[in-house]
Amino acid sequence: AQTVTQSQPEMSVQEAETVTLSCTYDTSESDYYLFWYKQPPSRQMILVIRQEAYKQQNATENRFSVNFQKAAKSFSLKISDSQLGDAAMYFCAYRDTQGGSEKLVFGKGTKLTVNP
Amino acid sequence: NAGVMQNPRHLVRRRGQEARLRCSPVKGHSHVYWYRQLPEEGLKFMVYLQKENIIDESGMPKERFSAEFPKEGPSILRIQQVVRGDSAAYFCASSPGQDTDTQYFGPGTRLTVL
Repeated sequence: AQTVTQSQPEMSVQEAETVTLSCTYDTSESDYYLFWYKQPPSRQMILVIRQEAYKQQNATENRFSVNFQKAAKSFSLKISDSQLGDAAMYFCAYRDTQGGSEKLVFGKGTKLTVNP
Repeated sequence: NAGVMQNPRHLVRRRGQEARLRCSPVKGHSHVYWYRQLPEEGLKFMVYLQKENIIDESGMPKERFSAEFPKEGPSILRIQQVVRGDSAAYFCASSPGQDTDTQYFGPGTRLTVL
C-alpha cells in the first residue's frame, strides 16, 4: 500500500525567512500525482501545489515551490518569504489510483509556526 | 463559483443516534470523496463515489457507515448508532473526473458524540 511520511511534526520559521517541509512516499507506480495541502485553524483544506511525477520540472506557485526527487521518492515544500498567514498544518498527499480508485493518501502533517 | 458545500458544519449527537452529513460538490463535478480526520491526525480516505455508484469504499468501517451520491441532490454520509469514537471532522472533496483530478475540499463537518 502507498504510504506518505512527514517526519517533522512541527516546524517554525521567522517571518520573511524560508522554510522547507519534508515529505517522502512509497509507491511502485511510475506515473502519479503529489499534492501539498494547507489546513489553517479554520480547518479548511486548501490546495497549495501539485506535481505530476512524469514532469521533471519542479512545480512553483508564487512563494511556494517543491523539490521533487522521483528516484528518492521525496517531495519537499519550500515556502519563501514566509508570512504570518502561512501558519497552518501542512499535509503532503499522494494520489492513489490503484484498482480504479482515486483516493488521496495523506501524511500526518507538519505544524508550521511563523514567528513575527 | 461556489466551492464544495458541507452541512451542517457542526453536529452533536448522543450515543446511539444517527448522523447525516451532506456534501454538495462543485457545480459540474461528478466525483465525490469522503475523508475522516481524527484529532491530531491526517485525513483518512473513507469512500469514493460517482453519480449513483460507489467506486471505492475500502476506507469505510464495515458496520454503521454508508454513503450515497444520488442522481439528484447532495452526497450523504450516514452513520448509524454513533459511538464516541466516531467524533471527528468529516471532509468531503470533489473533482471533475478528468485525469488531473485535483480534489477540492469542503469546510468539513465536525461531529461530536456525547
